[in-house]
Amino acid sequence: QQQVKQSPQSLIVQKGGISIINCAYENTAFDYFPWYQQFPGKGPALLIAIRPDVSEKKEGRFTISFNKSAKQFSLHIMDSQPGDSATYFCAAFGRFTGNQFYFGTGTSLTVIP
Amino acid sequence: DAGVTQSPTHLIKTRGQHVTLRCSPISGHKSVSWYQQVLGQGPQFIFQYYEKEERGRGNFPDRFSARQFPNYSSELNVNALLLGDSALYLCASSLDPYSNQPQHFGDGTRLSIL
Repeated sequence: QQQVKQSPQSLIVQKGGISIINCAYENTAFDYFPWYQQFPGKGPALLIAIRPDVSEKKEGRFTISFNKSAKQFSLHIMDSQPGDSATYFCAAFGRFTGNQFYFGTGTSLTVIP
Repeated sequence: DAGVTQSPTHLIKTRGQHVTLRCSPISGHKSVSWYQQVLGQGPQFIFQYYEKEERGRGNFPDRFSARQFPNYSSELNVNALLLGDSALYLCASSLDPYSNQPQHFGDGTRLSIL
């Protein structure tokens, strides 16, 4: 059973546009939600993370929106650039959910110049 | 500071063989986790070790085992390799497994089974 569901599977955005990736979870015991960026041949790199006591977190062009009641969270990439082209993974962690991060299936983002 | 380092970067094995993958965590990190990433999928949790003890185990067969050394480095062992074990194996380290600390990943070992 997929603990974290991610959509869309792929996304194409024009340079300067907004990229939006969505994730949903079921387990209310999750209390930490990071986003990772992965380039080909590299490991995932932490991009931004949020805890459920806040509804939004912004770091530069990257924003996480968190809706606790809907059990959904999303990544917004403002002013998308060709260098943002990568695969993005959402994840969820809970101190009492097995000491593991549960990852979404990934979104392949392509930013067209 | 060095990040998480993994070795080797690439490995080719045949079915039935055994493999050992190695990971050195970020200095000061005492927790190491192993993940399997099949092409086109997100990482799947295999093991987590903290202070040399197994603290978490994912849904993988007993052919998979791991250990952590006193210097907090770790090894992942896979016996009786199957074609389906072909994947990118990722190691991640964090300060500890209990607080909401971010995990930092290495670049992985690409394992190909022929």
